[in-house]
Amino acid sequence: RKEVEQDPGPFNVPEGATVAFNCTYSNSASQSFFWYRQDCRKEPKLLMSVYSSGNEDGRFTAQLNRASQYISLLIRDSKLSDSATYLCVVNINYGGSQGNLIFGKGTKLSVKP
Amino acid sequence: DAGITQSPRHKVTETGTPVTLRCHQTENHRYMYWYRQDPGHGLRLIHYSYGVKDTDKGEVSDGYSVSRSKTEDFLLTLESATSSQTSVYFCAISEFGQAYEQYFGPGTRLTVT
Repeated sequence: RKEVEQDPGPFNVPEGATVAFNCTYSNSASQSFFWYRQDCRKEPKLLMSVYSSGNEDGRFTAQLNRASQYISLLIRDSKLSDSATYLCVVNINYGGSQGNLIFGKGTKLSVKP
Repeated sequence: DAGITQSPRHKVTETGTPVTLRCHQTENHRYMYWYRQDPGHGLRLIHYSYGVKDTDKGEVSDGYSVSRSKTEDFLLTLESATSSQTSVYFCAISEFGQAYEQYFGPGTRLTVT
């Protein structure tokens, strides 16, 4: 099983739609979870951290399900500017240290007018 | 935006030549990282540093070396570049450690012919 798996998409949605991305991870000991967004030919930028209780930032909601080892990102009222690749990021710790961040390959979102 | 710069931003070099990429930060963060990003792969960690003169290998360290003589600078060296090292290289920083939020520089596009 790959360490961090995402549906590559692309997800093509109209403006105003609600879209959800899921991501699964393999290491049950993982403690840190993030969503990053990456625009074409740009660096990844932190979108939000994912907390155990779930968290919301404006139109974006992130949730963590430890039992099933997946995290999700929900985007409401999609904007054209949300078009990007969304990276699921999890720390993988094989013991003895904090562990490094492992990046998923990303899910591409295209929001159309 | 985090104060991270990378130089050069673009480079074309020939197989067998040495190449050094530079990452410079103005945030005084302890941790610095070098990643590469290739189509079909997530970001993969090459090397990281947890302090001046303290470095460790990541997932894809073969063919690369690093040095950190000052808090603000982290250098990545390809001793003898190969075509398989054609990639986009990103530097990242974090304040609290490997399992915490990381902030990325703008990237360096390296082509080895």
